[in-house]
Order: sequence, then C-alpha cells, then structure tokens
Amino acid sequence: GQNIDQPTEMTATEGAIVQINCTYQTSGFNGLFWYQQHAGEAPTFLSYNVLDGLEEKGRFSSFLSRSKGYSYLLLKELQMKDSASYLCAVSLSDNYGQNFVFGPGTRLSVLP
Amino acid sequence: DTGVSQDPRHKITKRGQNVTFRCDPISEHNRLYWYRQTLGQGPEFLTYFQNEAQLEKSRLLSDRFSAERPKGSFSTLEIQRTEQGDSAMYLCASSLAQGNEQFFGPGTRLTVL
Repeated sequence: GQNIDQPTEMTATEGAIVQINCTYQTSGFNGLFWYQQHAGEAPTFLSYNVLDGLEEKGRFSSFLSRSKGYSYLLLKELQMKDSASYLCAVSLSDNYGQNFVFGPGTRLSVLP
Repeated sequence: DTGVSQDPRHKITKRGQNVTFRCDPISEHNRLYWYRQTLGQGPEFLTYFQNEAQLEKSRLLSDRFSAERPKGSFSTLEIQRTEQGDSAMYLCASSLAQGNEQFFGPGTRLTVL
C-alpha cells in the first residue's frame, strides 16, 4: 500500500523558522508536492520536488531525498497567516490504483 | 474567474437519497481528480480522468459512487443511496498533465442526516 506520515500538529512563534517533515513509502514515485490548506478552504499549491535537493521559493523551501523517502517543508519568517494545515502529497505513476496520495496533514499554529 | 468551480457548495440530504455534484475544471486542463476529505485528514483520492477517460478508481470506492466526464470538460460525481459515513467535503482538482500541480476547487460539503 501507499503510506505517508507527517506530524499531526506543530506550534511556532511569529518570526521564527519551522520545519515540517514528511516520510513516504509508495510505489511508482513521480514527484512530491506540498500544499497549504486554511481551515474550511481548498488546498493551494506551495512546492514541487521530483529530484533530490532543495527548492526555494521566497519564505518557503522544500527538500527531497528519494533514497530515504523523506521530504521537509521549511517556512521562514513565520507570519500569523501561515497558521494552516500543510499537506505532503506524492504523485504516483499511472496503474497503481491511486494516482495521487496525500498525507494526513500537519496543523501549524503560529503564536504571537 | 478561470479557476476550478464546484456546485453546489453545500448539500444536506437524508440517508438513502442520491446526490450529484458538478465540477468545472480549468479549461485547458486534461486531468480532473475527485477527492474526499474529512475533518483533520488529508484528501483521499477517489478517481481521476484524462480527458473523458476514467483512468483510475480507488479500491476504497464502493459501487454507490460513480463519476463521469462525458465530453472531457466538466465532471459529475454521483453518490447513490447515501449513508451517514458519506458526510465529507468532496474536492475536485484539475491539472495539465501527470505530475503537474493540481488546482483545487472550493469543494462541496455533503451532510447526510
């Protein structure tokens, strides 16, 4: 089966840096995505990694190690509006019965 | 607005009734996905389409669920004989191709009484 693990909840302080980890065991890996989801809203795209290494995009960076089945999302200079759930998702090749698998999400609370 | 749209946004129904949801993807997107999400969980894959072809359907999906995308544009998701366990947010997403980022619609929140 396909399995993705993330911490359930995290808390950090405004202005700080936080790292959200994701580990996965899947078949037919075709890339890893991070999405942000505010309560009651749809997920929105943050980042995509298909090769090992770090992708930086403003205050957000994402890292991937395919050999370890591991990724993290790094959020810098935290703002109150960053309080949300962060979803790790793996894109699979076709013919695995599940084209796209999401983790359970990490609920981040940013405190003043 | 050229994003993904879903209709209705909310649906309350009684157990045993049939419901149908509609999704209009971003117009140039070939792939369309349906997910179900319950509180505190990540979206759970239900099915997806490449143009009008339904390529995969989750093994967790019972025969009460069916989806169509007849002309490769909008899609419908029908749930027959709804059960209380079907209460969830139903999300639709679209993408240009395999592996590309998915753009999500606002979702349809279903409540089965």
